[in-house]
Amino acid sequence: DSGVTQTPKHLITATGQRVTLRCSPRSGDLSVYWYQQSLDQGLQFLIQYYNGEERAKGNILERFSAQQFPDLHSELNLSSLELGDSALYFCASSVGGNPYEQYFGPGTRLTVT
Amino acid sequence: ELKVEQNPLFLSMQEGKNYTIYCNYSTTSDRLYWYRQDPGKSLESLFVLLSNGAVKQEGRLMASLDTKARLSTLHITAAVHDLSATYFCAVSDTTGNQFYFGTGTSLTVIP
Repeated sequence: DSGVTQTPKHLITATGQRVTLRCSPRSGDLSVYWYQQSLDQGLQFLIQYYNGEERAKGNILERFSAQQFPDLHSELNLSSLELGDSALYFCASSVGGNPYEQYFGPGTRLTVT
Repeated sequence: ELKVEQNPLFLSMQEGKNYTIYCNYSTTSDRLYWYRQDPGKSLESLFVLLSNGAVKQEGRLMASLDTKARLSTLHITAAVHDLSATYFCAVSDTTGNQFYFGTGTSLTVIP
């Protein structure tokens, strides 16, 4: 158990809908990272937050957004969902903003039908 | 954009044998990570390599980094079934803020 929690574990929704994925980092970790894993695209870095501020953006679509709240939990919002958005979404956390080690959560499996 | 290539993509090996997984990346990087992923599970951090010539070992796995060749290797010694998993390398750019993953190597160790 990495100490990073993600909810929900599974999510099934229809195209065009909007969903929110939630991540709670390990106690004391200030950074949260979001990743997408799919068969087509592999593992892709989406976005990083550090202590409430966006720090880095990867291959995140404009339909996706994220934020980190004062209690350091983070949410990833996915809107206007398409079939191709079906994937595993992981969050990870680290103590600092330039991580020596990231700790990954169990993931949320999103299925868009 | 930084590119990360791993090979082989699939590796089937017998117990007790040695093998190496290769990870090449396209531009200067700040650090190199190796992860393990079991089927249906999350990623587990194995190694972080920070400098040229860095070598780290844990059990039957040893990782090394050659920044001049932009190459990292993950060497498996005397493989056992428990090592069956998918192994990913990942590279961060020089800012340390962007992360790029390899395609993964699916390792199956056959008794």
